[in-house]
Amino acid sequence: QLQLQESGPGLVKPSETLSLTCSVSGGSISSSSYYWGWIRQPPGKGLEFIGAISYSGNTFYNPSLKSRVTISVDTSKNQFSLRLSSVTDADTAVYYCARRAGSSWADFDYWGQGSLVTVSS
Amino acid sequence: DVVMTQSPLSLPVTLGQPASISCRSSQSLVYSNGNTYLYWFQQRPGQSPRRLIYKVSNRDSGVPDRFSGSGSGTDFTLRISRVEAEDVGVYYCMQGTHWPPTFGGGTKVEIK
Repeated sequence: QLQLQESGPGLVKPSETLSLTCSVSGGSISSSSYYWGWIRQPPGKGLEFIGAISYSGNTFYNPSLKSRVTISVDTSKNQFSLRLSSVTDADTAVYYCARRAGSSWADFDYWGQGSLVTVSS
Repeated sequence: DVVMTQSPLSLPVTLGQPASISCRSSQSLVYSNGNTYLYWFQQRPGQSPRRLIYKVSNRDSGVPDRFSGSGSGTDFTLRISRVEAEDVGVYYCMQGTHWPPTFGGGTKVEIK
């Protein structure tokens, strides 16, 4: 059974960079069939797609966040990572990593449990 | 971006009764290959989203058959034929036809 687990600091200061890692177990991240994505959910609010990456490093970012987002992959560790720069309190959210299957950018079939990141000084 | 509008915002339902959630998109979700990339996710309290329905009407493995999806173009519906206690949570539609993918605002299903 595929499992995804987010990890990283739960508190980030304004203007600094948020960094999270998603560890994948029960399957290989090095499959051409899948992409690996990040989605976030501010407290009490809805879901927002951040971006995704293929095992070979092709990245796809939501234009609304593109200037601040970097997603990378480390196939040797079966992990992928998110960096979001110049954070403000609007970036406070639960950040989920997820696997995109199929041929659609909405086709997220496995999700991590989520990691709450609070932006505060 | 394609705007996904869900209604109602909140849906109180009596156990055993049906429930229906509407999702409307600001543009047609029919892709050039003829597929319609409209998905439904369930988020139970304190949990991650879980995919229920893919490409409008296909139930995921393990999803009870009381859940069904329908619709076309810009108008879609998720139905629960008989609501059970475990169905409490927020339901989101999501489109993957247009870039970037976008979610509806969510519908909270609760027991009366």
